[in-house]
Amino acid sequence: DVVMTQTPPSLSVAIGQSVSISCKSSQSLVASDKNTYLNWLLQSPGRSPKRLIYQVSKLDSGVPDRFSGSGSEKDFTLKISRVEAEDLGVYYCLQGTHLPYTFGAGTKLELK
Amino acid sequence: QVQLQQSGAELVKPGSSVKISCKASGYTFTSYDMHWIKQQPGNGLEWIGWIYPGNGNTKYNQKFNGKATLTADKSSSTAYMQLSSLTSEDSAVYFCATRLHYWGQGVMVTVSS
Repeated sequence: DVVMTQTPPSLSVAIGQSVSISCKSSQSLVASDKNTYLNWLLQSPGRSPKRLIYQVSKLDSGVPDRFSGSGSEKDFTLKISRVEAEDLGVYYCLQGTHLPYTFGAGTKLELK
Repeated sequence: QVQLQQSGAELVKPGSSVKISCKASGYTFTSYDMHWIKQQPGNGLEWIGWIYPGNGNTKYNQKFNGKATLTADKSSSTAYMQLSSLTSEDSAVYFCATRLHYWGQGVMVTVSS
C-alpha cells in the first residue's frame, strides 16, 4: 500500500497567519492517464470530512482561494494564506491513484 | 444539491452483522462511484472500498475482504455496506462519499455485548 506521510502532525496558528502542510507519498502518484490523484480534505470538529482540493491543485467549488495545493510525483503541499477561524480542524491528504486508496495521518490546525 | 443521508447509529453484539445505508439525492446515482471510509475514535481515515452503482462493480481494500460487502439499489438510489463477524475493532464511524467529494454524515457502529 502507498504510505502517505503528513507533516507536521499539529500546527498552532494565529488568525491571519499563513501555514503549509506537507504530504509525501511512498510511490509516485502519477497515474497511467498522466493525472495525479492527490486530494486534500478538512475535517472540522464533529463534522464529516470535506474535500478542498483534488488533482493536486484544483479547488472544489466554494473553497476560498486562500487555499492552494502544489507538488508533483511524491511531494505535495497544502498552503493556507490568512488562516480564518473556520479553517481549524484536521487536514488529511488522500491519494486516489493506487489501490487501496490511502490517507495521511492528519495535521491538526489549532488556534494559538 | 448533492446529499448523502446515512442510517442511524447501531449498537450490535460481537459476532453479528450490521447493514448500514447511504441514500443519495441531487445527482444521477448510477453515474458516480460511492466510497466507504472507516474512522475509529480519535483515529484517522481508512478507505474500505467503492462501488459503481451503474453496473455494481466493486473494489475493496484487501484488509476488508470478507469483512465488508458493498451493494447498491438503483431503484432507491441507496448504497449499502454490510459488515460481518463484528468485533470491537469494527467499532467506528463509517462514512459514504461519492467521488470522495460529497460525504454523508457518518454512522457510528458500536460493537459491544
